[in-house]
Amino acid sequence: AQKITQTQPGMFVQEKEAVTLDCTYDTSDQSYGLFWYKQPSSGEMIFLIYQGSYDEQNATEGRYSLNFQKARKSANLVISASQLGDSAMYFCAMREGPPSNTGKLIFGQGTTLQVKP
Amino acid sequence: EPEVTQTPSHQVTQMGQEVILRCVPISNHLYFYWYRQILGQKVEFLVSFYNNEISEKSEIFDDQFSVERPDGSNFTLKIRSTKLEDSAMYFCASSGDRGAPQPQHFGDGTRLSIL
Repeated sequence: AQKITQTQPGMFVQEKEAVTLDCTYDTSDQSYGLFWYKQPSSGEMIFLIYQGSYDEQNATEGRYSLNFQKARKSANLVISASQLGDSAMYFCAMREGPPSNTGKLIFGQGTTLQVKP
Repeated sequence: EPEVTQTPSHQVTQMGQEVILRCVPISNHLYFYWYRQILGQKVEFLVSFYNNEISEKSEIFDDQFSVERPDGSNFTLKIRSTKLEDSAMYFCASSGDRGAPQPQHFGDGTRLSIL
């Protein structure tokens, strides 16, 4: 069963505008963590942001924030004030279990973001 | 900032040959992982490793694959007899102690091309 779904294969955004990348997930665990990674064209995987299922506040890291809607099982990434360097593939991932869990990550298909000047 | 390093960045190998992909995890990390990404597809989990043994492995990680931590710093993935379908980007990742949310930090990957 598909556990992480990213329905937007590709997105465009104008430089300096905000953009939302969608991610929905499926799990029967009450405790889990959600992650976003950025993969530039050079190929490396860069950790951006983490949200725990019991976290009451939405996670934020600089220009990245996570719009976590637990009842809807969605964890959308919001990038504010887009920059040309934000052009990349973005992956949503989930790790089932408590925050201390060190298990595998399950990835979505990814969304390619292109920032237009 | 400490980082995971992988070598080589690109490996070209004839089908049927053995290949070893190398990784140096972040020095104080205890949990190690291998993932792969076939071109244009999502990242897939292969195996996790802790305390010198495999913690979990996926269906992909069959008898052709093995992992080893030969010394205190390296973590290797061996494919014994490579197949065309093994062509992919292979990522090593590591994470720290339990007790706090620990993101997995990825290396830059090794692009494996099987001819």
